[in-house]
Amino acid sequence: DIQMTQSPSTLSASVGDRVTITCRASQSVSIWLAWYQQKPGKAPKLLIYKASSLESGVPSRFSGSGSGTEFTLTISSLQPDDFATYYCQQYNNYWTFGQGTKVEIK
Amino acid sequence: EVQLVESGGGLAKPGGSLRLSCAASGFTFTNAWMTWVRQAPGKGLAWVGRIKTKNDGGTTDYAAPVTGRFTISRDDSKNTLYLQMNSLKTEDTAVYYCARGAEGWYFDLWGRGTLVTVSS
Repeated sequence: DIQMTQSPSTLSASVGDRVTITCRASQSVSIWLAWYQQKPGKAPKLLIYKASSLESGVPSRFSGSGSGTEFTLTISSLQPDDFATYYCQQYNNYWTFGQGTKVEIK
Repeated sequence: EVQLVESGGGLAKPGGSLRLSCAASGFTFTNAWMTWVRQAPGKGLAWVGRIKTKNDGGTTDYAAPVTGRFTISRDDSKNTLYLQMNSLKTEDTAVYYCARGAEGWYFDLWGRGTLVTVSS
């Protein structure tokens, strides 16, 4: 099984900050990597697919990069609506999620 | 409106059974690979299983913790996805989401989820 490890687990930031979340795979997943945002009591929402493709309707302050085993999700200027938990997911070999990164208010 | 709506969650005893449903609307359900994902209380997301379209064989795949106990099926005439859960364990307690597989692989549409609690 492919294991996905996110860092950090929790991130404290302020509105306007640039935020970066890292996701590492235990083996190469090529570019088959997605990012999701989840707010408490809500379903996850797709942000990024194929490592760097922005889902329709998602603000351009979100971006993804990477390939192989190391990936990043960047929020260029954190907005109040962005405080949430973020998950990476590989879909190269079945599906595995990272453990999540909670972005909280500093 | 494009949406997925889960139902059927509730309380079950260890060793018991439960069937979840996921009603799809607003898109061509027949053409969509569908999946179930669960989230234990306070925990992260975990893939449960996937069913392909009938055109792709309608085959299913499952995560190791549920293999042999859970069964995914679909009724394209009713635009509905199912998850039959047997031999339930306390560790199956979770919110269960159905999701659509875009290009078959990442999940671009999610339902709101239904809570399954397994307890004696």
